[in-house]
Amino acid sequence: DAGITQSPRHKVTETGTPVTLRCHQTENHRYMYWYRQDPGHGLRLIHYSYGVKDTDKGEVSDGYSVSRSKTEDFLLTLESATSSQTSVYFCAISESGEETQYFGPGTRLLVL
Amino acid sequence: GQNIDQPTEMTATEGAIVQINCTYQTSGFNGLFWYQQHAGEAPTFLSYNVLDGLEEKGRFSSFLSRSKGYSYLLLKELQMKDSASYLCAVREGSTLGRLYFGRGTQLTVWP
Repeated sequence: DAGITQSPRHKVTETGTPVTLRCHQTENHRYMYWYRQDPGHGLRLIHYSYGVKDTDKGEVSDGYSVSRSKTEDFLLTLESATSSQTSVYFCAISESGEETQYFGPGTRLLVL
Repeated sequence: GQNIDQPTEMTATEGAIVQINCTYQTSGFNGLFWYQQHAGEAPTFLSYNVLDGLEEKGRFSSFLSRSKGYSYLLLKELQMKDSASYLCAVREGSTLGRLYFGRGTQLTVWP
């Protein structure tokens, strides 16, 4: 299994508070991705990174920001959490854009 | 966005064969992936097709027809542990590795 960890694994927060989720990899892969998974929608891309400090938006990026200051870490921030951001968040990594993506264990976020 | 369609649910019995279909519409097709996801867990990679034809890997096989925008995942000798959601994902050539996922097919295997 690819060395990917996510923290926290579970979080409950209140509407309007900022939240940061962390994805950490030990594979030295260039590409990292943040997805959310909701019933009836499948996996949807939020943001992705193709190198340190290189990021781009996915399909559902509104309300989210990301940062990647070093290869191994990719942070997802909800600036002001809303109930619609209650979801399971998965991080994925890929050695290059042409390779298979491998997923982290996920973070369950509940926004009350 | 992309249009990726797969059945919502399927059921089968232990020892049987099941075929999960996936159709897609996309520009600049650059590969199709199948992932397996057990309840409460992360998706795990099963197979990858970029050229037409059948890729076999043990009990699992995946087929692709690019001209028809069609793929299927074939699971043989079903076991109870194969009960899971199966996700079809398409990669476009122009999108730096971005994958577009279908909504998944929930497979239940009965004894």
